[in-house]
Parts: sequence; structure tokens; C-alpha cells
Amino acid sequence: DAGVIQSPRHEVTEMGQEVTLRCKPISGHDYLFWYRQTMMRGLELLIYFNNNVPIDDSGMPEDRFSAKMPNASFSTLKIQPSEPRDSAVYFCASSVQAGVRNEQFFGPGTRLTVL
Amino acid sequence: GQNIDQPTEMTATEGAIVQINCTYQTSGFNGLFWYQQHAGEAPTFLSYNVLDGLEEKGRFSSFLSRSKGYSYLLLKELQMKDSASYLCAVRSTGKLIFGQGTTLQVKP
Repeated sequence: DAGVIQSPRHEVTEMGQEVTLRCKPISGHDYLFWYRQTMMRGLELLIYFNNNVPIDDSGMPEDRFSAKMPNASFSTLKIQPSEPRDSAVYFCASSVQAGVRNEQFFGPGTRLTVL
Repeated sequence: GQNIDQPTEMTATEGAIVQINCTYQTSGFNGLFWYQQHAGEAPTFLSYNVLDGLEEKGRFSSFLSRSKGYSYLLLKELQMKDSASYLCAVRSTGKLIFGQGTTLQVKP
């Protein structure tokens, strides 16, 4: 069974450009999370969805960031315009509301470099 | 506020035992997770505690004391492949709050 799928795996762009990161959660999972990881700040939650509805976007840095989940099998994280400080690894994770544990399964991540 | 503390780095010898500590202060608590992350890879789930006590799974064990806001991950019979970052995370109000991670280096 396929895990969480993210694309692209690597993205290099110039400051001011629009960046779109994509995520396909594990089939049947009803929670989807977007994280950002840097050396300085560690792993930070940006936003999460339940049944395609955004529940908590308090971690989204600013208006330049937006996320959508048009259906249960696809989500995007968009940065417009991008800045060098957005350089990080962006992870998507999914989980299913079943039982107590509900551990999150992470995708391979997208390494974003903004020049 | 939300705060999770763990040591930044640890070094241990192959075959030995190592304990990675985590202390937390969060506005809510609904379980504590440990994840392993190898360099350049995604975090993978290791263990989960929601009640006080020890959970054992093979070479790895995790302990929780909710009254003390404290957990540890115990790794036995260390192998070179255990060199990785270990992330402590608390679930609070539906989301995971991660510590900065502890980078463990296992030496021959």
C-alpha cells in the first residue's frame, strides 16, 4: 500500500516566484497535516485538515502561505510570493481517526530552496 | 504556553543502552509520541504513551509520567543504524507539538 506521496521532492526557485507543493494522503485517512522543518525551528505544524476542512491554520506564517484540500486524496500548499526564509523541508502527514493512537504517517518531504 | 525540551545531541557506543529524556509543558495532553528521523528522511512512528508507565517494543521502550511532564525513550543493544534524530511530540488539542529533536550518534 502506498504511503503519503509528495511532489516535487526538490524545488529550487527564485525569490518572488510562486511555489506549489502537492500531497496525496494515505487512502482512507481523514486527517491531513502540513509541517515545515528547519534547523533553527525544528518541525512546526502549519495547518491541518479533517475531512477536507481546515481545522487549525494558526501555524501558517503569513498571508503568503495558503493551503487547500479540494478532495480526500489531494492537498496543496502554496507560497506566493516566495522568500529566501521560506527555504525548508515541507512535510505532509496523514492519519485516521480510529482507536486511541492515531499516529501520523509522514510523506518523504519537499526540500524547498528559495534563492 | 507550549514547551517541549530534549537534549540536542547524544553519543553512545554500539551495543550499549541510551536514554533520551523529554520534558513538556503544554496546555492540554492527549498522548506522547516518539518519532525517529534519519538524516534526509521523513519521521517514522516509534512509540506512543497516554497512560503512566513503560511501553516496551523490542529494543525500544518509552516511559511516561504525566504528573511530572516527563518521558524517556530507552534504546537497548544499540546498532549503528540507530544513529538518527529522535523527536518527542505531545498531542494537544488535536495536533502534535514537536520538540527540537535529539540527534543520537552511535559509535563502533
